[in-house]
Amino acid sequence: AQTVTQSQPEMSVQEAETVTLSCTYDTSESDYYLFWYKQPPSRQMILVIRQEAYKQQNATENRFSVNFQKAAKSFSLKISDSQLGDAAMYFCAYRSPGPSGTYKYIFGTGTRLKVLA
Amino acid sequence: NAGVTQTPKFQVLKTGQSMTLQCAQDMNHEYMSWYRQDPGMGLRLIHYSVGAGITDQGEVPNGYNVSRSTTEDFPLRLLSAAPSQTSVYFCASSSQGDTQYFGPGTRLTVL
Repeated sequence: AQTVTQSQPEMSVQEAETVTLSCTYDTSESDYYLFWYKQPPSRQMILVIRQEAYKQQNATENRFSVNFQKAAKSFSLKISDSQLGDAAMYFCAYRSPGPSGTYKYIFGTGTRLKVLA
Repeated sequence: NAGVTQTPKFQVLKTGQSMTLQCAQDMNHEYMSWYRQDPGMGLRLIHYSVGAGITDQGEVPNGYNVSRSTTEDFPLRLLSAAPSQTSVYFCASSSQGDTQYFGPGTRLTVL
């Protein structure tokens, strides 16, 4: 069964600095998607970035980028120039293909990011 | 465009009561799902649907029922609430298995 592991329950970063959140996953599939979601105190789940496994190029969205290492099954999120508004819970998620065109999402347990002023 | 809406936002139930959590989306997404979020456990899939009339179980389906009579709506039913079902519930939708869009969540407490 596929699993997603976030080994850092909590991280802290100084404002304007860079921080990297780790995510590893286990799968035997070759075609899948990976996501990072942000959950601020409002509880709303917000997509940060996504990566298709067949793409070698790492995805980037403004200050957010990923380091996707397919062979190592690693998908880390780098936040550059951290801002106070980046403080949130971050979830790594894996989307697997399922039977008959279905698919399932599997989430990690999350990393709480604190941004220090 | 409202996106994904969920009602109610908060609910308190007594053990054994039943209720339905409502979820609706206006993006014509065929894929909808329900998750529960518990401290330290991330989001766990309860049930999902790939289209009207088609549903399937996720990781933690026991105690929950779903149906999908329209593309827009995907209600989650608790037939006999238990304290173990105290959680935050999220509904999500997506098109063709792409990025999921989440509702604002429902915080459920079962006494």
